[in-house]
Amino acid sequence: DAKTTQPPSMDCAEGRAANLPCNHSTISGNEYVYWYRQIHSQGPQYIIHGLKNNETNEMASLIITEDRKSSTLILPHATLRDTAVYYCIVRVAVAGGTSYGKLTFGQGTILTVHP
Amino acid sequence: EAQVTQNPRYLITVTGKKLTVTCSQNMNHEYMSWYRQDPGLGLRQIYYSMNVEVTDKGDVPEGYKVSRKEKRNFPLILESPSPNQTSLYFCASSARSFPPYEQYFGPGTRLTVT
Repeated sequence: DAKTTQPPSMDCAEGRAANLPCNHSTISGNEYVYWYRQIHSQGPQYIIHGLKNNETNEMASLIITEDRKSSTLILPHATLRDTAVYYCIVRVAVAGGTSYGKLTFGQGTILTVHP
Repeated sequence: EAQVTQNPRYLITVTGKKLTVTCSQNMNHEYMSWYRQDPGLGLRQIYYSMNVEVTDKGDVPEGYKVSRKEKRNFPLILESPSPNQTSLYFCASSARSFPPYEQYFGPGTRLTVT
């Protein structure tokens, strides 16, 4: 799976949009971009994923650049409860191989939402 | 409610005393996995299971065993725990092992081995 690079930390004011970047310059055509978050030692929580197109769900939006080398997770109206570590993960889209479903978590971005 | 449950949530034990951490999911998922999380090392996969009676090693399997006799359950067994297995453990499940299926995580089990 392709390696990802994220800033170690970011701040955001409550009620404002939080834009979390992720670089995945070595991504290949059959690899998805996933975002998970972990709130203070709780189990990681799935947020959103995408392959080529931008995606939106009730939690967030995912913007993937046209060359797919980077993406941005957008929390449109951040709240204090969004303070967490956010992980950007790239996963190959076919079964088999040595990954077999393993999620490779990097260090992620610590997002702190301030009142 | 769709969920992954783990028990116990907290456990303090002594070296060498066999223990089992249970994991159960109610989503009829085929794929289940165990991770451990340690400061500075992130989450690392211990074992995974593609389906009933199909299990395989992850990145850090030493000192652990698993079984998958039923689709919903995937217990993690420490036959002879040692202090280096003190960690935060997460069970995860997914309909399939590969995208676009997302993985759901349990709440975690914090294990201390003295």
